[in-house]
Amino acid sequence: EAGVAQSPRYKIIEKRQSVAFWCNPISGHATLYWYQQILGQGPKLLIQFQNNGVVDDSQLPKDRFSAERLKGVDSTLKIQPAKLEDSAVYLCASRGQGGTGELFFGEGSRLTVL
Amino acid sequence: GDSVTQMEGPVTLSEEAFLTINCTYTATGYPSLFWYVQYPGEGLQLLLKATKADDKGSNKGFEATYRKETTSFHLEKGSVQVSDSAVYFCALQTNAGKSTFGDGTTLTVKP
Repeated sequence: EAGVAQSPRYKIIEKRQSVAFWCNPISGHATLYWYQQILGQGPKLLIQFQNNGVVDDSQLPKDRFSAERLKGVDSTLKIQPAKLEDSAVYLCASRGQGGTGELFFGEGSRLTVL
Repeated sequence: GDSVTQMEGPVTLSEEAFLTINCTYTATGYPSLFWYVQYPGEGLQLLLKATKADDKGSNKGFEATYRKETTSFHLEKGSVQVSDSAVYFCALQTNAGKSTFGDGTTLTVKP
């Protein structure tokens, strides 16, 4: 079974530029999460999707961050314009319906904003 | 809101030493509790879980018991190995599927 795929693995941009991250969850997983992990901290939830609907985006900075999950499969997280404090690893995770509740994580996309 | 507090690290132990990493949580309702591990250069992966009070999760020699009265889920291992060196994250998940993580504890095991 293929795991959660994310790209790009690394991205370096200047502040005020834009960036997009892509995630393809495990096949059949209805729930998809985007987390931000700043160095030395735990993952912080940005947005949670159930199929193609948003369940929780209360901590998403909506003035600069956006995310979509068209057709309830893969997802894109965009930052525009980026700030220095957006430097972090962006983690995508997915979870199947019901069951254990275990989250399956991708390897993450490391963003550096200069 | 929901929160998870882990003991501050880093933790350095000698091989075969006993390990405890403390974790306490604040949540409404009855969340499920998890420990995730991140080995160097790898993504987060589930180590163990417990879904209700007094449940004990176990895997790879690690154990944690869901203590509702103390809102805790401490991770223990009787004899650590060098290969256990990693970052350990405690997490809770609500019935709505929202998962909240602690800040992680870095464990280094020396031979």
